[in-house]
Amino acid sequence: QQQVKQSPQSLIVQKGGISIINCAYENTAFDYFPWYQQFPGKGPALLIAIRPDVSEKKEGRFTISFNKSAKQFSLHIMDSQPGDSATYFCAASKRDNFNKFYFGSGTKLNVKP
Amino acid sequence: ETGVTQSPTHLIKTRGQQVTLRCSSQSGHNTVSWYQQALGQGPQFIFQYYREEENGRGNFPPRFSGLQFPNYSSELNVNALELDDSALYLCASSLARGGANTQYFGPGTRLTVL
Repeated sequence: QQQVKQSPQSLIVQKGGISIINCAYENTAFDYFPWYQQFPGKGPALLIAIRPDVSEKKEGRFTISFNKSAKQFSLHIMDSQPGDSATYFCAASKRDNFNKFYFGSGTKLNVKP
Repeated sequence: ETGVTQSPTHLIKTRGQQVTLRCSSQSGHNTVSWYQQALGQGPQFIFQYYREEENGRGNFPPRFSGLQFPNYSSELNVNALELDDSALYLCASSLARGGANTQYFGPGTRLTVL
């Protein structure tokens, strides 16, 4: 059973457009939700993260929106650039002594110039 | 400050063989987690080491084992390799073992089992 479901699987956006990637989770014990960016041949790199006590977090062109009641969160990339073309993973973990992350299946973003 | 490093970069093995993958954690990090990432999938948690002891395990068989050394570097060992073990193996380190601690990933080791 997949703990975190991510959509879409792939996304094509024009340069300057908004990229939106969605994730949903079932386990209400999750309380840390990071987004990772992965380029081919590289490991995932932390992009931005949120905790459920806030509904939105913004860092530069990247924004996480969080809906606790719906158990959903999403990544918005404003003014998307060709350099943003990568695979994006959402993840979730619980507040415990166990640093286990549950990852979504990934979204491959292609930003066309 | 150096990031997480892994070796080797690529590895080709045959079914039934054994493999050892290595990871050096980021400076100051005492927790190392290992993930398996199949092609086109998200990383799947294998296990975590905290101060040289296994601190938790995902849904992987016992032929996947590990070690953490006093300098917090780590090894992942896989015995009796199967074709389905072909994947990118990622190591991630964090400052502490709690669930909200950011994990910093290495570049991974690409394992191919023929």
